[in-house]
Amino acid sequence: AQRVTQPEKLLSVFKGAPVELKCNYSYSGSPELFWYVQYSRQRLQLLLRHISRESIKGFTADLNKGETSFHLKKPFAQEEDSAMYYCALREAAGNKLTFGGGTRVLVKP
Amino acid sequence: GAGVSQSPRYKVAKRGQDVALRCDPISGHVSLFWYQQALGQGPEFLTYFQNEAQLDKSGLPSDRFFAERPEGSVSTLKIQRTQQEDSAVYLCASSPAKNIQYFGAGTRLSVL
Repeated sequence: AQRVTQPEKLLSVFKGAPVELKCNYSYSGSPELFWYVQYSRQRLQLLLRHISRESIKGFTADLNKGETSFHLKKPFAQEEDSAMYYCALREAAGNKLTFGGGTRVLVKP
Repeated sequence: GAGVSQSPRYKVAKRGQDVALRCDPISGHVSLFWYQQALGQGPEFLTYFQNEAQLDKSGLPSDRFFAERPEGSVSTLKIQRTQQEDSAVYLCASSPAKNIQYFGAGTRLSVL
């Protein structure tokens, strides 16, 4: 069965510092990978998906099939980036999402 | 336009009570999903509908959990004889066919 692992429960960085959230997955096929974000008192929302290959709010993520990873990066963190971040996987022929346990990012001033 | 709407936002139930959670998807969205999110964990898949057909219920934890979407729009997740381990946030998501899932704000269920 597919599995998504986010090894860091909490990442604390200073404003302007780089931030990288790790995501590793186990799945034998060709998955579709997503990053979802949940800001305080808001609903879960899509941040980016690997097939779009775009930068959203300064965040990028590259799918590395060799290392089965989809790490999320931002070179200069901002205070408004403080939130819960979830990595998620969808099987090629599937519909449901499999989520990691989430990483809380705290950006300090 | 309106997003995915879930009600109630909060539900407190005594152990053994039955509860019903409602999800109003975005109009026209074919697919509807239910997820369960325990405290400190990521959402876990419960069940999936395409229109009124329940195509995948592999994530339902027991036969006390039942979901329906009779007219292919509003969905209800019912939990019978609630137990303390059912305490969680229940999330509903909808999407237009196989596409991005849009999530509701969730229903926080507390079983005492």
